[in-house]
Amino acid sequence: QSALTQPASVSGSPGQSITISCTGTSSDVGGYNYVSWYQQHSGKAPKLMIYDVSNRPSGVSFRFSGSKSGNTASLTISGLQAEDEADYYCTSYTSRKTLVFGGGTRLTVL
Amino acid sequence: EVQLLESGGGLVQPGGSLRLSCVGSGFTFGSCAMSWVRQAPGKGLEWVLSISDSGDTTSYADSVKGRFTISRDNLKNTLSLQMNSLRAEDTAVYYCAKAAPGTRTRNGLDVWGPGTTVTVSS
Repeated sequence: QSALTQPASVSGSPGQSITISCTGTSSDVGGYNYVSWYQQHSGKAPKLMIYDVSNRPSGVSFRFSGSKSGNTASLTISGLQAEDEADYYCTSYTSRKTLVFGGGTRLTVL
Repeated sequence: EVQLLESGGGLVQPGGSLRLSCVGSGFTFGSCAMSWVRQAPGKGLEWVLSISDSGDTTSYADSVKGRFTISRDNLKNTLSLQMNSLRAEDTAVYYCAKAAPGTRTRNGLDVWGPGTTVTVSS
């Protein structure tokens, strides 16, 4: 199972919005509404930010939102804050009943 | 407070074995599907294995199939990972993570442990 494709890096200024894409195939992202997004600060464990494409767990800021179109899922962060600087990973359920992660995207807040 | 705590990591020679454990607290362990996710040094996250809340269903990544085994003891709130025939490429931080009660791993992993480091080297 190949990893989902994410941009290696994105950046934005405080207050701006950014979007991170996550591209898979019809056997994973496109075939199921089971895409999750995780935030990982350096040296820390990942944190669930979005599940089932567009749902936010309790306690996650409304500035984080998720969507999907075809084989590509997206994470949008609005009103960028310095604390958002981290690595972000998408993951999807697959037709083989496994999970596959994206390669990760490093977000830099300028 | 909901917590997961891994243990058992260490240095092992290629071809050797290691057993990791993860103890859960602050939640109904037997109601949650569980997973192991690893992260090689400087690399991204890699899903490794998952097990259902009851323990009757498991799934494995191709990279570990036939070498790693996941199991759980719901009476002891413990998740285990038996790793055999270890390779250098298995070197990573291994995270234990849980799904929300009544959901499956595919619905997201809502709590993660701090991780335990496994190094495979001669």
